[in-house]
Amino acid sequence: DGGITQSPKYLFRKEGQNVTLSCEQNLNHDAMYWYRQDPGQGLRLIYYSQIVNDFQKGDIAEGYSVSREKKESFPLTVTSAQKNPTAFYLCASKRTGGLNEQFFGPGTRLTVL
Amino acid sequence: AQSVTQLDSHVSVSEGTPVLLRCNYSSSYSPSLFWYVQHPNKGLQLLLKYTSAATLVKGINGFEAEFKKSETSFHLTKPSAHMSDAAEYFCVVSDGAGGGNKLTFGTGTQLKVEL
Repeated sequence: DGGITQSPKYLFRKEGQNVTLSCEQNLNHDAMYWYRQDPGQGLRLIYYSQIVNDFQKGDIAEGYSVSREKKESFPLTVTSAQKNPTAFYLCASKRTGGLNEQFFGPGTRLTVL
Repeated sequence: AQSVTQLDSHVSVSEGTPVLLRCNYSSSYSPSLFWYVQHPNKGLQLLLKYTSAATLVKGINGFEAEFKKSETSFHLTKPSAHMSDAAEYFCVVSDGAGGGNKLTFGTGTQLKVEL
């Protein structure tokens, strides 16, 4: 089955630690996205990548980093510089052209202890 | 610039009665508009999309939405609610004009369905 996988589903981190969230897709999509979801705020874009080896900052990139070494993978690192990292993180992908429809993974819930 | 306003943060209906979730948008371009649904601790699933074809868009699970340019609205409706419809719903607008086709999300409407 084609789709997007995110791991782990739940992640706990101590303050001051970096942590990396995994996102993999087998839809052969060129574009991939990372969002952060907080209660009552909808989704906010952290980073996006339209092609391998290229990515751009979204609206709330501070304290996060990404890489796009392979088409199917777009990992997100939450660094210790992120002041309030506890949130639900969603990864999405989209094929180029088309109708701008993004497909979402199941999400990772990060809790900082 | 683009924005989305979901007019109700919570909507409660009885099972079998109609559902109306309201959404207004603002966009500098001819927008693409979407409704997504999210069940607790899950990812988002696309319900339907508008991309400048027919103004009345039919989606999955009996939902539909009507694009009204004069009112800048894209309200989501369903004739008869089911218990399984209880979830959070997001109205989304896309700029579609380069910039990675970024989406702008509304803050969501929590739908509660009661017996």
